[in-house]
Amino acid sequence: NAGVTQTPKFQVLKTGQSMTLQCAQDMNHEYMSWYRQDPGMGLRLIHYSVGAGITDQGEVPNGYNVSRSTTEDFPLRLLSAAPSQTSVYFCASSYMDREGGYTFGSGTRLTVV
Amino acid sequence: DAKTTQPTSMDCAEGRAANLPCNHSTISGNEYVYWYRQIHSQGPQYIIHGLKNNETNEMASLIITEDRKSSTLILPHATLRDTAVYYCIVRVAGGVQGAQKLVFGQGTRLTINP
Repeated sequence: NAGVTQTPKFQVLKTGQSMTLQCAQDMNHEYMSWYRQDPGMGLRLIHYSVGAGITDQGEVPNGYNVSRSTTEDFPLRLLSAAPSQTSVYFCASSYMDREGGYTFGSGTRLTVV
Repeated sequence: DAKTTQPTSMDCAEGRAANLPCNHSTISGNEYVYWYRQIHSQGPQYIIHGLKNNETNEMASLIITEDRKSSTLILPHATLRDTAVYYCIVRVAGGVQGAQKLVFGQGTRLTINP
């Protein structure tokens, strides 16, 4: 049981490049979400999903796209990276139909130069 | 959305109980209080949650006041490994298909001293 797996762990991008951060969970959780954490700050919600084909925006969605074609995977796409997107990105998942904690991945540290 | 207020930082001696306060005066009747911690730059770790009653698990205890406007997380015998940022969060409803979202604040930086 791997929990929530994020890849890659580290990434350096040039301004204007695109990339996809991967998130996969093996717990059959309906709810999945992406957060970003800037230095010294709390986590901010980017996008979330409540099931395959259903996504919604969080607090800071601009510059990011998501889609969810399977229960297990919830990739986050940066279409044109900007230095302001330098951050640590966390993916989290949970059940929808019961109270309980989110399971977080170990994060992707992204630097945009 | 219900918001939480926590002290920026706290210190506690190793072996003592660490009591972390949290104010959530605008919490709604069906909103749960959650506690997470983040050690260094790792992903946040779930600790405990509660609605009205006090809760206890293998990691901590959660005391919620009767009016639900505040709560306290108790680590009964703090160790150096409990040094972390602790987040008190109210899980807010209103998302698509009734989804509840975790909205993080700044948290409390707890330092356990030898």
